[in-house]
Amino acid sequence: SAVISQKPSRDICQRGTSLTIQCQVDSQVTMMFWYRQQPGQSLTLIATANQGSEATYESGFVIDKFPISRPNLTFSTLTVSNLSPEDSSIYLCSAQYRGEQYFGPGTRLTVT
Amino acid sequence: DAKTTQPTSMDCAEGRAANLPCNHSTISGNEYVYWYRQIHSQGPQYIIHGLKNNETNEMASLIITEDRKSSTLILPHATLRDTAVYYCIVKYNNNDMRFGAGTRLTVKP
Repeated sequence: SAVISQKPSRDICQRGTSLTIQCQVDSQVTMMFWYRQQPGQSLTLIATANQGSEATYESGFVIDKFPISRPNLTFSTLTVSNLSPEDSSIYLCSAQYRGEQYFGPGTRLTVT
Repeated sequence: DAKTTQPTSMDCAEGRAANLPCNHSTISGNEYVYWYRQIHSQGPQYIIHGLKNNETNEMASLIITEDRKSSTLILPHATLRDTAVYYCIVKYNNNDMRFGAGTRLTVKP
């Protein structure tokens, strides 16, 4: 299996600022994913990030708001820009390893 | 990817089997059935998956109907720690995971 860690585990940010979330996988993986889970809701896919190519965003998510980096096969970052209270959610990193998809513990973001 | 339908919530007595149904009537021939669960404040955890045969592992059993239009996840001896939201997902291998609303299972003492 693959073990995924995220930093920070939680943060409280002010409106208008940005937060960058780091995701580290203990194995080399080609496909990584970022999800958002709003309070009381299911997970929604934000984007797919493959190493060596631009991230692919789902409908309703744009690169200016959620820039993603994927510098190597074990690491990715998601930035949530120009924060508003509506961005208060849990953000989860995921990776596909040997055909299975694994998830990190999530980053709980609160925007005040 | 095909969509799934699951009950919103279910209760189960501790020590009894928990049977969680999932309908996926539009599943196509090469789509797999996956089950994940999410315990409060944690990331989703893989449970089991299958294509058309029944599957069993140390956590659960997966029963897929012959026409593959529905499946049941069975937790043979539910414990309080099995209280979670259970997600049934159908997808092609190597595609990303798309989550529905899931079933909130509450195991009661």
